[in-house]
Amino acid sequence: EPEVTQTPSHQVTQMGQEVILRCVPISNHLYFYWYRQILGQKVEFLVSFYNNEISEKSEIFDDQFSVERPDGSNFTLKIRSTKLEDSAMYFCASSEVRVIWEKLFFGSGTQLSVL
Amino acid sequence: QQQVKQSPQSLIVQKGGISIINCAYENTAFDYFPWYQQFPGKGPALLIAIRPDVSEKKEGRFTISFNKSAKQFSLHIMDSQPGDSATYFCAASMKEGGSEKLVFGKGTKLTVNP
Repeated sequence: EPEVTQTPSHQVTQMGQEVILRCVPISNHLYFYWYRQILGQKVEFLVSFYNNEISEKSEIFDDQFSVERPDGSNFTLKIRSTKLEDSAMYFCASSEVRVIWEKLFFGSGTQLSVL
Repeated sequence: QQQVKQSPQSLIVQKGGISIINCAYENTAFDYFPWYQQFPGKGPALLIAIRPDVSEKKEGRFTISFNKSAKQFSLHIMDSQPGDSATYFCAASMKEGGSEKLVFGKGTKLTVNP
């Protein structure tokens, strides 16, 4: 069964450092998303991406965040200068079609710990 | 108004028992209510979903009950099994500003004891 793959599963970084979280969406999917979940909190939408550009972003997705699809298979989330409050589980998701929630597949997440 | 409140935060049930997880929302613009199941080390996966034009949807041992007037919906797991032990998220989606938004609850960690 095809799946969304995320690496690494756990990333530890120092405050102020840049991190890149990587995702390989399902191969025929066209819509890509990042969500995050701070420990004990709800899963929150960060950004959606289609046709090599951001479709939508939340207020959480400020100038410190960026997304990229560098090579047609990977989908990355970059945090330029990490803050303690960026510590969270980050989920990548992909979909073949836009906004059909039944068709949205999540990766297993990257646990980011900012020290 | 875009919140979905989920309870309980954790739930322990004996094998064969019924697990019930509740969610409530405020915004009547929500028009789709999915439940996601997440096993440790895995991402959330769609389990079952309902639209507000029906009051109940059943798939195997999993049932969503939907109360539109109370703005509440719940997941019932009948004959709970240890393999059902996971974190369950309710969610709700709505159209806003030309786009769809999916809002999650905080999750319920279900443990089914053998």
